[in-house]
Amino acid sequence: EVQLLESGGGLVQPGGSLSLSCAASGFTFSSYAMSWVRQAPGKGLEWVSAISGSGGSTYYADSVKGRITISRDNSKNTLYLQMNSLRAEDTAVYYCARCPGQWPNDAFDIWGQGTMVTVSS
Amino acid sequence: DIVMTQSPDSLAVSLGERATINCKSRQSVLYSSNNKNYLAWYQQKPGQPPKLLIFWASTRASGVPDRFSGSGSGTDFTLTISSLQAEDVAVYYCQQYYSTPYTFGQGTKLEIK
Repeated sequence: EVQLLESGGGLVQPGGSLSLSCAASGFTFSSYAMSWVRQAPGKGLEWVSAISGSGGSTYYADSVKGRITISRDNSKNTLYLQMNSLRAEDTAVYYCARCPGQWPNDAFDIWGQGTMVTVSS
Repeated sequence: DIVMTQSPDSLAVSLGERATINCKSRQSVLYSSNNKNYLAWYQQKPGQPPKLLIFWASTRASGVPDRFSGSGSGTDFTLTISSLQAEDVAVYYCQQYYSTPYTFGQGTKLEIK
């Protein structure tokens, strides 16, 4: 079964750091680009970042550029999101999502269940 | 950034009736070299992640009932549910994947009348 499972969410103080992981199973992970999408409580969806299948190309929303780093370890079938200098407005459920191709300019066909990040003092 | 605007924000439709949701992009998401519209529709039920319904503006994702259809090109798109079922109550989002940042519409909440 194709599956994505996020972990690493939690409560962090403003200015703090957090690292999210997304474990993939059921497909050839390195063949697919991946993205992170977040959803603030009661709000809509916001694309955060994407990475190509090889990991050689990365893309970021302006709202997180310079504070967030996306990476992947294809030998471990795992996607990561390192978040630094966190702000209250980063509070959201973070979803990892698969793009059906090597490049992220495609629809997100598989989504994880999400992990909640709360930035608060 | 390509701004995506959905209408209406909320919609109440009787069971068995047609539901129509519109999505407008501020600039075209039609890539001329392959004649594809880089537009997707997602369904999100409470407490669940989004689910892909439609990609390339009009192609149904695997397992999606044929009462769901997508249409449109360039800047104007429509998601139609031909005969509303109780399980279709959800929030629906359009999304462009033509260029980063990949932006979503604000969502349309669909309810039963």
